[in-house]
Amino acid sequence: DAGITQSPRHKVTETGTPVTLRCHQTENHRYMYWYRQDPGHGLRLIHYSYGVKDTDKGEVSDGYSVSRSKTEDFLLTLESATSSQTSVYFCAISEEARGNSPLHFGNGTRLTVT
Amino acid sequence: DQQVKQNSPSLSVQEGRISILNCDYTNSMFDYFLWYKKYPAEGPTFLISISSIKDKNEDGRFTVFLNKSAKHLSLHIVPSQPGDSAVYFCAANSQGGKLIFGQGTELSVKP
Repeated sequence: DAGITQSPRHKVTETGTPVTLRCHQTENHRYMYWYRQDPGHGLRLIHYSYGVKDTDKGEVSDGYSVSRSKTEDFLLTLESATSSQTSVYFCAISEEARGNSPLHFGNGTRLTVT
Repeated sequence: DQQVKQNSPSLSVQEGRISILNCDYTNSMFDYFLWYKKYPAEGPTFLISISSIKDKNEDGRFTVFLNKSAKHLSLHIVPSQPGDSAVYFCAANSQGGKLIFGQGTELSVKP
């Protein structure tokens, strides 16, 4: 899995609580991404990063924030979790920001908001 | 609006036969198309890609065909094997490496 570790692998939390998911890579890739996977929607981009402290929004960024203080770590925070954020979250990395530089994914974090 | 669509949620094929997975897109500015394979409890893994200037790319048992005029691509797996059973996602590169994914097609290859 291209040296990508996501933690935790599973989490159950209550509505209204903050949650932080972590992605750690050992590949020294510049680009990192957070996606969520939901039935009927495939994978949708939440936020991405093109370098330390450089981040931008994806198509479903409402309710999420990210931070990247080191090349190897990309954190996704749900400020106040809602049931609609129950999903499987995938982190991905790529060496270049080009279509012929495929994304490599971690094994995901399954988040349940009760 | 879904810019990348996989209209078949599932496909069942006999071992040894051809599997054909289809994908449609709406944005003619996409420059690369990729296929990913996903097993349960794992992340998607890259399978094969094709540039928008090509119409075919082959890698072993996997071939991707691109029909730009129809905004359609397909993934052919020949011969299909039980280990190919997985969810397959089609994706298109919009800009800066950000991928837009289809909904996925679950392939089941029966022995």
